[in-house]
Amino acid sequence: SQKIEQNSEALNIQEGKTATLTCNYTNYSPAYLQWYRQDPGRGPVFLLLIRENEKEKRKERLKVTFDTTLKQSLFHITASQPADSATYLCASGSGGSYIPTFGRGTSLIVHP
Amino acid sequence: GAGVSQTPSNKVTEKGKYVELRCDPISGHTALYWYRQSLGQGPEFLIYFQGTGAADDSGLPNDRFFAVRPEGSVSTLKIQRTERGDSAVYLCASSPQTEETQYFGPGTRLLVL
Repeated sequence: SQKIEQNSEALNIQEGKTATLTCNYTNYSPAYLQWYRQDPGRGPVFLLLIRENEKEKRKERLKVTFDTTLKQSLFHITASQPADSATYLCASGSGGSYIPTFGRGTSLIVHP
Repeated sequence: GAGVSQTPSNKVTEKGKYVELRCDPISGHTALYWYRQSLGQGPEFLIYFQGTGAADDSGLPNDRFFAVRPEGSVSTLKIQRTERGDSAVYLCASSPQTEETQYFGPGTRLLVL
């Protein structure tokens, strides 16, 4: 069955450093991957989408990559700030499908 | 503009009771999704509407769960004979017809005692 995996352990980094979160998928080839941010008690907020024919996407301090060989997406936040502390969810979808499968999310904690 | 809204924000009920959860999507969004999220987990798909019809209800766990969207806008998720295992955050999301991006509401926290 399709699986999408994110590191369940929290990532702790120092302010100003680059945070890198990992999303791995197995048993299928998604047409796109998405990253969402979720704060406690709130719904997820869309950040970036990358398609299978794209290697990299950027938006301000955010960068996402899609490696179809490694079956992996990396999500980077450069010059991280305490306000970036949240849970980041990876989601994948098949071509023609608008129903993504979500990972469990990775908690990021940026220390001042 | 206004985002997706969900009511109530919190619902406490007793085992065996019936509950209704409401979702108001972003105006003009034809697609509407319901998800369930347990603590420490990602959102789990329940049902997807395109307009008034349920395009995919494969995520509904059993026949105690039902959802409607009679006029293609507001949707109601209905849970009959609630069980303690139904306790979770129920998230609603909407999107324009041809977009993968989803816009989530704040969720309804359901606690079944």
